[in-house]
Amino acid sequence: GESVGLHLPTLSVQEGDNSIINCAYSNSASDYFIWYKQESGKGPQFIIDIRSNMDKRQGQRVTVLLNKTVKHLSLQIAATQPGDSAVYFCAEKVVFSGGYNKLIFGAGTRLAVHP
Amino acid sequence: EPEVTQTPSHQVTQMGQEVILRCVPISNHLYFYWYRQILGQKVEFLVSFYNNEISEKSEIFDDQFSVERPDGSNFTLKIRSTKLEDSAMYFCAGRSASTDTQYFGPGTRLTVL
Repeated sequence: GESVGLHLPTLSVQEGDNSIINCAYSNSASDYFIWYKQESGKGPQFIIDIRSNMDKRQGQRVTVLLNKTVKHLSLQIAATQPGDSAVYFCAEKVVFSGGYNKLIFGAGTRLAVHP
Repeated sequence: EPEVTQTPSHQVTQMGQEVILRCVPISNHLYFYWYRQILGQKVEFLVSFYNNEISEKSEIFDDQFSVERPDGSNFTLKIRSTKLEDSAMYFCAGRSASTDTQYFGPGTRLTVL
């Protein structure tokens, strides 16, 4: 889900369950998407990315799904562990003149894993 | 594994003072970025830098802000006259020419009093 300001949506899961974090993006021309994990007081940490010519990509315990029709991205975490507790951000690459690019971040979702 | 580093981790300054935030990108990165994150909010793009020039800047990056790569390794963000609303986490990021993946530093927390 998305939110504005200080109230991040929170996903609470039991340890061992699967987690699904969703994100809507805005630019239909974006061809690259990325998920970051941010622990308290730290910088965004790369998790997984996907290009627009794919609809699914798997990593270790994580899967990203891309639905270009509805401009939706999801991050699935298998067998969620307490160390997965963090805020998760999706970001899309936006290209500007000269071929340079920047990332536009979503609002973030807090994942809370309970033992 | 190489990492982006940033100093200081926390900077406290008085309104109107100048601050310089420093970053050492990963050595093979060629594209550099500054982002900021106000407490509890999303990460916002400030500026991108390539070949010793700004390639893009956001509306936030006004004439109080400047960036520099003075010695081929450090990448700095200067705020000439800080305002209360500049209080935020500032992240440096970089990427190589062969990928779109940006790698972020741990951030500098700037507190303007």
